[in-house]
Amino acid sequence: DTAVSQTPKYLVTQMGNDKSIKCEQNLGHDTMYWYKQDSKKFLKIMFSYNNKELIINETVPNRFSPKSPDKAHLNLHINSLELGDSAVYFCASSQDLGRGSYEQYFGPGTRLTVT
Amino acid sequence: GNSVTQMEGPVTLSEEAFLTINCTYTATGYPSLFWYVQYPGEGLQLLLKATKADDKGSNKGFEATYRKETTSFHLEKGSVQVSDSAVYFCAPKAGNTGKLIFGQGTTLQVKP
Repeated sequence: DTAVSQTPKYLVTQMGNDKSIKCEQNLGHDTMYWYKQDSKKFLKIMFSYNNKELIINETVPNRFSPKSPDKAHLNLHINSLELGDSAVYFCASSQDLGRGSYEQYFGPGTRLTVT
Repeated sequence: GNSVTQMEGPVTLSEEAFLTINCTYTATGYPSLFWYVQYPGEGLQLLLKATKADDKGSNKGFEATYRKETTSFHLEKGSVQVSDSAVYFCAPKAGNTGKLIFGQGTTLQVKP
């Protein structure tokens, strides 16, 4: 059983398009995250949700909008895609909001290429 | 602000060599410290963690000790294998938001 799954694994699209990446976790966790990894492997948090409530919203263009229909799902919608959005996007989940030392479980990533 | 500094890679070693990857951090409060590993084409997975000063995290032959006085959490392994080739991330967890502070990681390549 896959703990954190993402779809699609690869996404190639043109500038200006709108696309979504889906994430699901079957671990029963309350908190989910989106990270962006650039071509130099630098990893940065974008958003986190706890029980469908937005907790972390880093300095991310408002073209990026997370949506959490329930606590097992956190989708990422991107409007008006730009070349600089090309990256690998990781979804993650954890048991707690951050007060403990619980680890985060990561999905396999979605490689987005904007042409 | 919160940040993490790791030695720049790539680090290239021969099989059975000793590995050290340095990590120093700045973070508010008393963070928990994590090492994550990313194998080629995969997501990150937890390698080890430590939650208080002088704790030693260990897993799969890797070790790291929480050094509060030097704000460091260096990763070590006595004898690396080709299968250890991956990107390694040191990540303190800051505050109460669960936010992990990542850098760009250190790429390790182990040659037979």
